[in-house]
Amino acid sequence: DGGITQSPKYLFRKEGQNVTLSCEQNLNHDAMYWYRQDPGQGLRLIYYSQIVNDFQKGDIAEGYSVSREKKESFPLTVTSAQKNPTAFYLCASGGRGVSNQPQHFGDGTRLSIL
Amino acid sequence: AQSVSQHNHHVILSEAASLELGCNYSYGGTVNLFWYVQYPGQHLQLLLKYFSGDPLVKGIKGFEAEFIKSKFSFNLRKPSVQWSDTAEYFCAVRPDSNYQLIWGAGTKLIIKP
Repeated sequence: DGGITQSPKYLFRKEGQNVTLSCEQNLNHDAMYWYRQDPGQGLRLIYYSQIVNDFQKGDIAEGYSVSREKKESFPLTVTSAQKNPTAFYLCASGGRGVSNQPQHFGDGTRLSIL
Repeated sequence: AQSVSQHNHHVILSEAASLELGCNYSYGGTVNLFWYVQYPGQHLQLLLKYFSGDPLVKGIKGFEAEFIKSKFSFNLRKPSVQWSDTAEYFCAVRPDSNYQLIWGAGTKLIIKP
């Protein structure tokens, strides 16, 4: 079945450490997204990519970085510059263009600080 | 700042009751509107969307939503809920020509059998 695979499901970060969250899709979707979800809040966009080798900052990109070297993969790095990284991170994919929207979501990665 | 408000964080209903979940947004221009649903143990998925045309939109599983531009609202409705509708529902809005969705905080719906 086609879908989005996020790994790991749980991740712990030490202070000052960078960590990378994986997101892979086999849906042949052009667009991919990274969201952050905090308790009692809606999803907030960190980064998105409409096509390979191109990505754009979302509302809360500071302290995060991404790459889009392959269509299937959109890894998110949470850097030490992100002062409050504890959250639930969701990856999504969808069609390209302003008339499209995230259609498929992964299971998410829960990141905690040690 | 643009925002989306879902009025109820938790809703509990009995089976066969009618459902209406509120969603209001703050943006004066053209918008695209979405409802997403996350069933227990499943991925978030698109329930229905509005881009233009008939403001009453039909979605999957008997859900519908009505866009009322004058009220900046896009409420989700279902005439008779089932136990299987237990899920968390998210409203999202995209201001015109913008790739980004602005999300509501979600409403957890519990249907008592």
